[in-house]
Amino acid sequence: GENVEQHPSTLSVQEGDSAVIKCTYSDSASNYFPWYKQELGKRPQLIIDIRSNVGEKKDQRIAVTLNKTAKHFSLHITETQPEDSAVYFCAASRYGNKLVFGAGTILRVKS
Amino acid sequence: GAVVSQHPSWVICKSGTSVKIECRSLDFQATTMFWYRQFPKQSLMLMATSNEGSKATYEQGVEKDKFLINHASLTLSTLTVTSAHPEDSSFYICSARDWLAGLKGTDTQYFGPGTRLTVL
Repeated sequence: GENVEQHPSTLSVQEGDSAVIKCTYSDSASNYFPWYKQELGKRPQLIIDIRSNVGEKKDQRIAVTLNKTAKHFSLHITETQPEDSAVYFCAASRYGNKLVFGAGTILRVKS
Repeated sequence: GAVVSQHPSWVICKSGTSVKIECRSLDFQATTMFWYRQFPKQSLMLMATSNEGSKATYEQGVEKDKFLINHASLTLSTLTVTSAHPEDSSFYICSARDWLAGLKGTDTQYFGPGTRLTVL
């Protein structure tokens, strides 16, 4: 089955700097890769997703890149703000199937 | 749009009792819902996939007789923790996939707010 590894487990950045979180997946048939943000005690919220027919997707300060050959994808947050502090989860799936989540990254943005 | 609710948001029960958690998609139809368990500072662990009108598919290691799942309608799935014990204490979260959006090529899962279960 699918296995998703996520790094780093914790990431501290200064406000205004960029943050990058990386994930690798094992199932070459996976074709859907969402990123979720979860604040303490709250539900995971989808922040961006990408399908395997696209190499990059951007939404304001957030971007995701996908390298199908290497089977890894990354989340990029530019101009970080204190409200970006949260736990971020990557996930992978074959379209229509269950999501397999990474272990999560605690992002701390220091002001 | 795409709102998922869960009820209750928290529950405390005595060991040996059963607890039912409801997951509802409020503004879309969900032929598939998912139940997760999350321990503090850990990732989401999929317990089972709930399919409307059919039996749930449980992940390896999850006791189907302990965690009963019913998906009786396109907007409601329930998880019943039977004979709960302290080790069942956890944060339970459901998610739902928008059926119509899926037909259009969108595979987004929307999460409920979670239910914190404490078994004394």
